[in-house]
Amino acid sequence: AQTVTQSQPEMSVQEAETVTLSCTYDTSENNYYLFWYKQPPSRQMILVIRQEAYKQQNATENRFSVNFQKAAKSFSLKISDSQLGDTAMYFCAFLSTSYDKVIFGPGTSLSVIP
Amino acid sequence: GAVVSQHPSWVICKSGTSVKIECRSLDFQATTMFWYRQFPKQSLMLMATSNEGSKATYEQGVEKDKFLINHASLTLSTLTVTSAHPEDSSFYICSASNPDSVRGPLEAQHFGDGTRLSIL
Repeated sequence: AQTVTQSQPEMSVQEAETVTLSCTYDTSENNYYLFWYKQPPSRQMILVIRQEAYKQQNATENRFSVNFQKAAKSFSLKISDSQLGDTAMYFCAFLSTSYDKVIFGPGTSLSVIP
Repeated sequence: GAVVSQHPSWVICKSGTSVKIECRSLDFQATTMFWYRQFPKQSLMLMATSNEGSKATYEQGVEKDKFLINHASLTLSTLTVTSAHPEDSSFYICSASNPDSVRGPLEAQHFGDGTRLSIL
């Protein structure tokens, strides 16, 4: 069975600084999909960034980028130029190629400090 | 982009009441929808996978008779919490995937805004 681990329950960063959230996962599959979701206090789930496992190039979406290390089964999220609106829970998620369900990590609560 | 509508957003009711939550895909047909439960400051826990025209697949530990799921059409899935009690109070979120997306699974799931259920 697949599992997703986020070892940082809480993190904080100064506004305009850079922060990295860690995520590791366990799977026996060779191809799969990885995601980072943001959940602000409104509790709406917002897709931040996505990555296909067979692509070596790290995904980037504006201030958000990932460091995907397939051999290490690591998928960290880097947020550059942190903004107050980035304050939220961040969930790392795994989707197998059977596309049956998404498995979420326990989440990291990020606080951006003015 | 694809939108999933979830209703109601907040419901408060007495213990013993049955509560129905609706999840609609507004601009695509969703053959599969997912229902999650989330406790405060915790992650999303998958309760069941709802398949159009067939029985839902429940995760281990989720009571089928307690949480009734119906997926009668390609755009609507409902979750009914039967005879709700205070311990059923939680945040419930649905999601749907668009199988026709050109991006395939990378399209990911589209989430509803969630339903806050409070049982008195």
